[in-house]
Amino acid sequence: DAKTTQPNSMESNEEEPVHLPCNHSTISGTDYIHWYRQLPSQGPEYVIHGLTSNVNNRMASLAIAEDRKSSTLILHRATLRDAAVYYCILFNAGKSTFGDGTTLTVKP
Amino acid sequence: GAVVSQHPSWVICKSGTSVKIECRSLDFQATTMFWYRQFPKQSLMLMATSNEGSKATYEQGVEKDKFLINHASLTLSTLTVTSAHPEDSSFYICSALDTMNTEAFFGQGTRLTVV
Repeated sequence: DAKTTQPNSMESNEEEPVHLPCNHSTISGTDYIHWYRQLPSQGPEYVIHGLTSNVNNRMASLAIAEDRKSSTLILHRATLRDAAVYYCILFNAGKSTFGDGTTLTVKP
Repeated sequence: GAVVSQHPSWVICKSGTSVKIECRSLDFQATTMFWYRQFPKQSLMLMATSNEGSKATYEQGVEKDKFLINHASLTLSTLTVTSAHPEDSSFYICSALDTMNTEAFFGQGTRLTVV
C-alpha cells in the first residue's frame, strides 16, 4: 500500500489558521487522498477527501499539489476542539494504510 | 453522514474466554467492512477486510483462527477474539465502505481489556 508521511506534531494558537502537510510521493492514479482525525478513545472522524482538485467543506480545505505527491489540510480558524491526531491516508476501494498522523495541539 | 455503530464500547473479559464485537452500518448497506486494532499512542493497524457473504481477507501476521470475522449481512460484521489473552487488550475499530466505494465510515471503537 502506498504510504504517507506527516510531521509528528504541530502547534497552533486558537483562532489562527493551521496548515497540516502530507507527503505521498508513491500515490497512484486511482488513489484518493483522505483526511481523518481522531480524538482519544474514539474512532476516526472523516474530515475531507479529494482526488486532484482542491476541495472545501464546512470543516476544512484540502489543497492538492499539481503532481499529487503532496497535500495540505487547512483549518481556517483552529479551535480547542480541533486538537486531535490528524491522519492523511491514501484511499483505494476502501483499503488504506494509516501512517502515524500529526498530533495537533491548539493553544488558547 | 452515514453512521457506523460498534457494540460494545468497552468490554473486560477473563483470559481464555472469547469476546464478540459487532459493527453495524445503520443507514446504508456495506458489502465491505474493515477491522483495525490500535494500541496506545500508536496508529491504526488494519487487521482484515470483511466481505459480505465471503471469507474475510486477513493482513499478514494476523491469525485468522484467533480473530474470527463474520459478515453475514449487508449491515453487520462481527469480530470474535477467541481465547483472549492480556496481549489482545487493545482498541478495536471497524469501518464500513459506502456503496460508491469512495468513503469509509468508522465506528466509535471498542476497548477490550483482558485480565
